[in-house]
Amino acid sequence: DIQMTQSPASLSASLEEIVTITCQASQDIGNYLSWYQQKPGKSPQLLIHSATSLADGVPSRFSGSRSGTQYSLKINRLQVEDTGIYYCLQHYSAPWTFGGGTKLELK
Amino acid sequence: EVQLQESGPGLVKPSQSLSLTCSVTGYSITSNYWDWIRKFPGNKMEWTGYISYSGSTRYNPSLKSRISITRDTSKNQFFLQLNSVTTEDTATYYCARYKLAGTYFDYWGQGVMVTVSS
Repeated sequence: DIQMTQSPASLSASLEEIVTITCQASQDIGNYLSWYQQKPGKSPQLLIHSATSLADGVPSRFSGSRSGTQYSLKINRLQVEDTGIYYCLQHYSAPWTFGGGTKLELK
Repeated sequence: EVQLQESGPGLVKPSQSLSLTCSVTGYSITSNYWDWIRKFPGNKMEWTGYISYSGSTRYNPSLKSRISITRDTSKNQFFLQLNSVTTEDTATYYCARYKLAGTYFDYWGQGVMVTVSS
């Protein structure tokens, strides 16, 4: 199975701060990487697909990037509504595997 | 609008079978892929498997021969059965649509929490 190592596991940041979450794949997964946000009691919501493409309706302060087998989710100017748990997911090779999640809180 | 809704018992006894239904509205399950994903206490997420538009299936090898995903196209529903459950199968179970053209999960159900306990 492809391992997705996500960091940090938790993060506390201030309003308007820039936040970066990373996922390291254990092997090449191309651009078969998506990012999801999950709020308490809700289902995950797609933010980024194909490593760098913003999903419909997602604010432009979210962006995704790739450097080799390292993938990053960046949130510019953190807002209150951005708190929650963030997951990366690889779907290059079954079984699809998730990162361990990053819990983002406001400082 | 595409909507998915999970249903099923919230409590299952160890060694018994877990059976869940995902009812889909607004889109036919004879297109794209339809998956089951679970989230364990402590936030770990695990993909369990899918059934495709054609009815083919693929499962997470970690579940070995315990899992089965089937469908009823006349009702636009698909199902998860997990046999011989243990307390380690306690999780919130989500059904989701995997959009093949974009390769991502774009629609999710709200999730159903299943506890395995005697």
